[in-house]
Amino acid sequence: AQKVTQAQTEISVVEKEDVTLDCVYETRDTTYYLFWYKQPPSGELVFLIRRNSFDEQNEISGRYSWNFQKSTSSFNFTITASQVVDSAVYFCALYSGAGSYQLTFGKGTKLSVIP
Amino acid sequence: EAGVAQSPRYKIIEKRQSVAFWCNPISGHATLYWYQQILGQGPKLLIQFQNNGVVDDSQLPKDRFSAERLKGVDSTLKIQPAKLEDSAVYLCASSLGSSGANVLTFGAGSRLTVL
Repeated sequence: AQKVTQAQTEISVVEKEDVTLDCVYETRDTTYYLFWYKQPPSGELVFLIRRNSFDEQNEISGRYSWNFQKSTSSFNFTITASQVVDSAVYFCALYSGAGSYQLTFGKGTKLSVIP
Repeated sequence: EAGVAQSPRYKIIEKRQSVAFWCNPISGHATLYWYQQILGQGPKLLIQFQNNGVVDDSQLPKDRFSAERLKGVDSTLKIQPAKLEDSAVYLCASSLGSSGANVLTFGAGSRLTVL
């Protein structure tokens, strides 16, 4: 069975602060994929990043960075110098493939960036 | 490139009534998904189509929910009769391949309120 835990239900930060969204996953498979999606108030989930289990390199894209640590089964997401437009619900998701096509989503973390 | 189109955006019905949602995926995407997102939770897969065949409908409440994708392009999700607990956002997504490792492109969703 696979599981994704996003322990932070809601986070509020002041604009320009850095913020880290936590994601812990569980799977018995050695091959799996991890994702982050953003859901702004408009409702449409937007893909941010996908990592496979064999690539533990951290990723940076502009103000966004991701820290993948297999030793702690975590795939955390950091926004540097947050902006009001970053306000959204962020979902971490896991696909591990064995016997299932399904993507398992966490419950999401609602980020509010206050001007 | 046009995104995933969904309609209607909002629907309010009484319990025991029926409702239908429509989705048109990105052109060329063979795989189409319907997800249910209850307030405060992550999306849950209801059904996945590969072209016009069903890949996974294990979490679809088949006594009241049905879905079809007759020509392998657009799709309709129907609920009959609706229950109060069906109040949710119904998200349609599409992808090129059928594996859960694929990146999903989501529509804006159809928000259902059952009174």
